[in-house]
Amino acid sequence: DGGITQSPKYLFRKEGQNVTLSCEQNLNHDAMYWYRQDPGQGLRLIYYSQIVNDFQKGDIAEGYSVSREKKESFPLTVTSAQKNPTAFYLCASGARAYSNQPQHFGDGTRLSIL
Amino acid sequence: ELKVEQNPLFLSMQEGKNYTIYCNYSTTSDRLYWYRQDPGKSLESLFVLLSNGAVKQEGRLMASLDTKARLSTLHITAAVHDLSATYFCAVDHGLRGLDSNYQLIWGAGTKLIIKP
Repeated sequence: DGGITQSPKYLFRKEGQNVTLSCEQNLNHDAMYWYRQDPGQGLRLIYYSQIVNDFQKGDIAEGYSVSREKKESFPLTVTSAQKNPTAFYLCASGARAYSNQPQHFGDGTRLSIL
Repeated sequence: ELKVEQNPLFLSMQEGKNYTIYCNYSTTSDRLYWYRQDPGKSLESLFVLLSNGAVKQEGRLMASLDTKARLSTLHITAAVHDLSATYFCAVDHGLRGLDSNYQLIWGAGTKLIIKP
């Protein structure tokens, strides 16, 4: 079955450490997205990518970095510059602009500070 | 700047009752999405609304879109406990015929608790 796989499910970060969250999709979608969700809040866009080797900052990109070397993969690195990284991180994918299809989401990674 | 407001943000209701969640957005858009999120889980797509007057129904849930009023509603009929979840609406930031980066702007979510 096609879908989006995020790993790990839970992640702990020490102060000063960079950590990388994995996101892989086999839906053949061009666009991929990273969102952050804080408790009781909606989704905020961190980064998105519409094609391989290209990505754009979302509303809260500071302290995060991404790469898009393959269509299937869009890893997110939470750097030490992100001082409040504790949150639920969701990866999504979607077809090109003007598609009538919704974005599809992975199961999320819950990141906490040690 | 496109803003999306949902209300209410929290709703507790009894089984068997009807209720409506509202999603208002601030600028023109021709696509709106409804999602469901169970506690600690990911988001599941419920409805895609693509034009003025669009109405979609699935079981006890019905969604509609009025692009002139910039309003979508999610109506729950004869609620059952299994519908307890947080419901999000999201509006496409792009406009058909113009450059679009296919960004979605999200409402804050409506947490729905249905008591048996």
